[in-house]
Amino acid sequence: GAVVSQHPSRVICKSGTSVKIECRSLDFQATTMFWYRQFPKQSLMLMATSNEGSKATYEQGVEKDKFLINHASLTLSTLTVTSAHPEDSSFYICSAGRGAQYEQYFGPGTRLTVT
Amino acid sequence: GNSVTQMEGPVTLSEEAFLTINCTYTATGYPSLFWYVQYPGEGLQLLLKATKADDKGSNKGFEATYRKETTSFHLEKGSVQVSDSAVYFCALSDAGGTSYGKLTFGQGTILTVHP
Repeated sequence: GAVVSQHPSRVICKSGTSVKIECRSLDFQATTMFWYRQFPKQSLMLMATSNEGSKATYEQGVEKDKFLINHASLTLSTLTVTSAHPEDSSFYICSAGRGAQYEQYFGPGTRLTVT
Repeated sequence: GNSVTQMEGPVTLSEEAFLTINCTYTATGYPSLFWYVQYPGEGLQLLLKATKADDKGSNKGFEATYRKETTSFHLEKGSVQVSDSAVYFCALSDAGGTSYGKLTFGQGTILTVHP
């Protein structure tokens, strides 16, 4: 149990276009989902916390108009990178929170390359 | 604010060697502590966790004990295998409030095990 999927696993897009990444909890309901960004050989940086039915909470320095997050249901959150630029190229990872013991279950990540 | 510091990597060991990866933390309140593992090209997987002082988390031969007096959560394994080669992340989670479940990660330690 506690499986989280992400789609797509890899995406290449042209500069200026928008890309949507989906995060799904497959076998549990996730009231909270998190979006992280991981640079090569570096740690994960929390971008935002997404609660079902309410606006996402963004970390300091993360542009909310550029990284649009929607958490429409208890099993789905989406991250849309708008007007993507090469510096947005990164590994994006979502996680879903379950239970009262602060466990998060991570998706396999999405490799975004902006050309 | 919260922070997690891991020992500098990379760590290179021979198969069956003893492993220690140091992790210390700074936090207010009573955080939960985690070790996550990331295999090449994949997302993070929870390796073990501890939710209160003196708890010992264990899984797949790995162990870590929550030491409140030294604010540490060092990861150990008595005999590593080639398949343990991965990046290991120490993390902590806030207790309660609007930061429910928010994880703060260490910088990650790359482990390479040679036959």
